[in-house]
Amino acid sequence: QKEVEQNSGPLSVPEGAIASLNCTYSDRGSQSFFWYRQYSGKSPELIMSIYSNGDKEDGRFTAQLNKASQYVSLLIRDSQPSDSATYLCAVRSGSARQLTFGSGTQLTVLP
Amino acid sequence: NAGVTQTPKFQVLKTGQSMTLQCAQDMNHNSMYWYRQDPGMGLRLIYYSASEGTTDKGEVPNGYNVSRLNKREFSLRLESAAPSQTSVYFCASIGTSLDEQFFGPGTRLTVL
Repeated sequence: QKEVEQNSGPLSVPEGAIASLNCTYSDRGSQSFFWYRQYSGKSPELIMSIYSNGDKEDGRFTAQLNKASQYVSLLIRDSQPSDSATYLCAVRSGSARQLTFGSGTQLTVLP
Repeated sequence: NAGVTQTPKFQVLKTGQSMTLQCAQDMNHNSMYWYRQDPGMGLRLIYYSASEGTTDKGEVPNGYNVSRLNKREFSLRLESAAPSQTSVYFCASIGTSLDEQFFGPGTRLTVL
């Protein structure tokens, strides 16, 4: 059973809209949660981390974590065509410094 | 700072050939990782090294070996390549804080 689930998409939103990306995880002991952006043919880039329940905002990005529901999301406000990429969710469980990745959601922002 | 570097960028092998993928980081990070990425599969951990001198298996270690040569370098070896190992391979390092995560540019490997 996949431990980290993401809707593979593709997800399309118009420029200026809010893009909402979702991720669920199976291990209740998970401690740390990450969102990466990966442009086609490029390597993943860490864009957000969140460690406690609630919201964390960084510019146009907001990460939301609900440990009770085992759910983490990424909101992108005022979406731009340059946000078009695959977004990967990753989870760290326990004390190990290993991350488990979801399969990614492909986002397209239409001009 | 070069960050995380990987060589080669592209490689084509025939079934049964061997090769070593090289990775180096100049950020003084203790933890280094090898992932493979296949279409629709996300990133899967092959091996990792929590610190110099230690290595551990990840989710998909079969057919691979690793060496943590020193704090900077972490290599991945395919002893007898198989078509199922056709993939994009990423090396990554993590610093003291989990927010310090960096990936290399990747190696695109094709096994015929």
